Amino acid sequence: DAGITQSPRHKVTETGTPVTLRCHQTENHRYMYWYRQDPGHGLRLIHYSYGVKDTDKGEVSDGYSVSRSKTEDFLLTLESATSSQTSVYFCAISVKRGTEAFFGQGTRLTVV
Amino acid sequence: DAKTTQPTSMDCAEGRAANLPCNHSTISGNEYVYWYRQIHSQGPQYIIHGLKNNETNEMASLIITEDRKSSTLILPHATLRDTAVYYCIVDSGGSNYKLTFGKGTLLTVNP
Repeated sequence: DAGITQSPRHKVTETGTPVTLRCHQTENHRYMYWYRQDPGHGLRLIHYSYGVKDTDKGEVSDGYSVSRSKTEDFLLTLESATSSQTSVYFCAISVKRGTEAFFGQGTRLTVV
Repeated sequence: DAKTTQPTSMDCAEGRAANLPCNHSTISGNEYVYWYRQIHSQGPQYIIHGLKNNETNEMASLIITEDRKSSTLILPHATLRDTAVYYCIVDSGGSNYKLTFGKGTLLTVNP
């Protein structure tokens, strides 16, 4: 299995609080992605990174920010969590275009 | 960004071939087609990918039309464990590429 770890795996937080999810890889892959998955929507891309300090927005980036200060970590921050951000979040990594992407096990976030 | 269109759901009998279609009529010349699947609530699992030629691996075959506007994923002998949501995606963005998923096809393999 590819070395990709998401933490925490489960989190319950209150509306209005900041939340940070971490994606950690041991593969030295250049590309990292954050997705959210909700019933009826498949996986939707939030943000992605194509190198250290190089990030860009995906389809549903409002309310989220990311940081990648080193190759192995890609952090997703919910500035002020809302109930609409209750979801399962997946991280993925890829070494380059035209190759397999590996996914983490997911983080289930509940905002109450 | 190239978009993909897949049927919402399909059924297949166990032991038979499952043929999952995907339309990507706006694909550009250097964009790859990938297939992933997701079983229950697990993280998506890579199946296969291709650029222009047909591809085969231990899991499946990928048939890409000559004009590259559509493709078919073939699971040669479907089993109950192949029941999953299958995603066809096209990468985009050049060297800073991204993978954008759609809603996929729910394949149900029946006994």
